[in-house]
Amino acid sequence: EIVLTQSPATLSLSPGERATLSCRASQSVNSYLAWYQQKPGQAPRLLVYDASNRATDIPARFSGSGSGTDFTLTISSLEPEDFAVYYCQQRSNWPLTFGGGTKVEIK
Amino acid sequence: EVQLVESGGGLVQPGGSLRLSCAASGFTFSGYWMHWVRQDPGKGLVWVSRINGDGSSTSYADSVKGRFTISRDNAKNTLYLQMNSLRVEDTAVYYCARASRYSGSYSGYWGQGTLVTVSS
Repeated sequence: EIVLTQSPATLSLSPGERATLSCRASQSVNSYLAWYQQKPGQAPRLLVYDASNRATDIPARFSGSGSGTDFTLTISSLEPEDFAVYYCQQRSNWPLTFGGGTKVEIK
Repeated sequence: EVQLVESGGGLVQPGGSLRLSCAASGFTFSGYWMHWVRQDPGKGLVWVSRINGDGSSTSYADSVKGRFTISRDNAKNTLYLQMNSLRVEDTAVYYCARASRYSGSYSGYWGQGTLVTVSS
């Protein structure tokens, strides 16, 4: 099973700041990695697929990069609605696995 | 508009069974893989199972293999998860999710979840 490790666990930032979230895989997943956002009491929402492609209707301030074992989700300038928990997920191997999440909180 | 509505959650004793349902609308149900993903209260996401469009192929997480069965009724636009031999550690919110348009293995649409509590 591929283990995805997300860091940091919590990121405390102010609106307007840049957020950089990391996801590291225990073995190569090529570019088969997605990012999701989850707000309290809501279901997750797909943000980025295959490492660097934004899903439909996702604002341009969200960008993904990386390949192999190291991936990054960047939020260029945090909006109030971006404070949430973010998860990465790989589809390279079965079973599908998620990372443990990074909480982006207001500083 | 894509809608996924889960039902069937509740309180069950260890060793018991429960069947979750997910009613789908707003898209051609048979054309998409479907997934079950669970989330322990206050914790992260865990993929549970997936099924292809015609129901001929399924996959499971090791933690549920042999105890849970995913199925679908394309005539009723409904996804199911039969959960047997339930354990305390199966307690979670269970989400059904539709595959994204980009890959069957990413979840593009999610229901609001149904809570399963396994406790004596």
